[in-house]
Amino acid sequence: NAGVMQNPRHLVRRRGQEARLRCSPMKGHSHVYWYRQLPEEGLKFMVYLQKENIIDESGMPKERFSAEFPKEGPSILRIQQVVRGDSAAYFCASSRSGGAGQPQHFGDGTRLSIL
Amino acid sequence: EDQVTQSPEALRLQEGESSSLNCSYTVSGLRGLFWYRQDPGKGPEFLFTLYSAGEEKEKERLKATLTKKESFLHITAPKPEDSATYLCAVQAHEDSSYKLIFGSGTRLLVRP
Repeated sequence: NAGVMQNPRHLVRRRGQEARLRCSPMKGHSHVYWYRQLPEEGLKFMVYLQKENIIDESGMPKERFSAEFPKEGPSILRIQQVVRGDSAAYFCASSRSGGAGQPQHFGDGTRLSIL
Repeated sequence: EDQVTQSPEALRLQEGESSSLNCSYTVSGLRGLFWYRQDPGKGPEFLFTLYSAGEEKEKERLKATLTKKESFLHITAPKPEDSATYLCAVQAHEDSSYKLIFGSGTRLLVRP
């Protein structure tokens, strides 16, 4: 399966710990997006990255959240000092380019639970 | 503000009973409208992209149409395996990040 790979699928953290979510885009895709899906809510954009660059982080909380997409390896979404409100499903999507109308292909998400 | 509203929130159909899902959108300039299917515990699966009013696309029992203000996803003679949440999203022209703005989805249940 050459789809978008996210790991872990489930992550449990205690309040105050750090959470690291990983995303490997589809082969040949160099554009990565992170979205968050809160319970009973729709998908909300967080951040858009290309290799070694953050293009748009307008949807990401200013504090505690960061994202990177290094030259080698997966994209990482990092949440420091997690709180209960961070419990959600986090989805990564990738596209071949950032062009108009390019479909974004999603992974199966990481479900983060905060105790 | 760019916005997407989907209706109904939930829809129950008997197998073979055709229906339509609605997606109304407000966006300053539409770059593309996307339909996805999401099964429980899974990520959204891409179905269609529509670019301009009047455009239609089909895939098996699904047909998507687009006007200047809304899109419809028509389901003809649905089967139980069509049960899923259907998501609509738009991509705006002025948005250089190409992010998708999603509606809350329509949960479809098709009974045998």
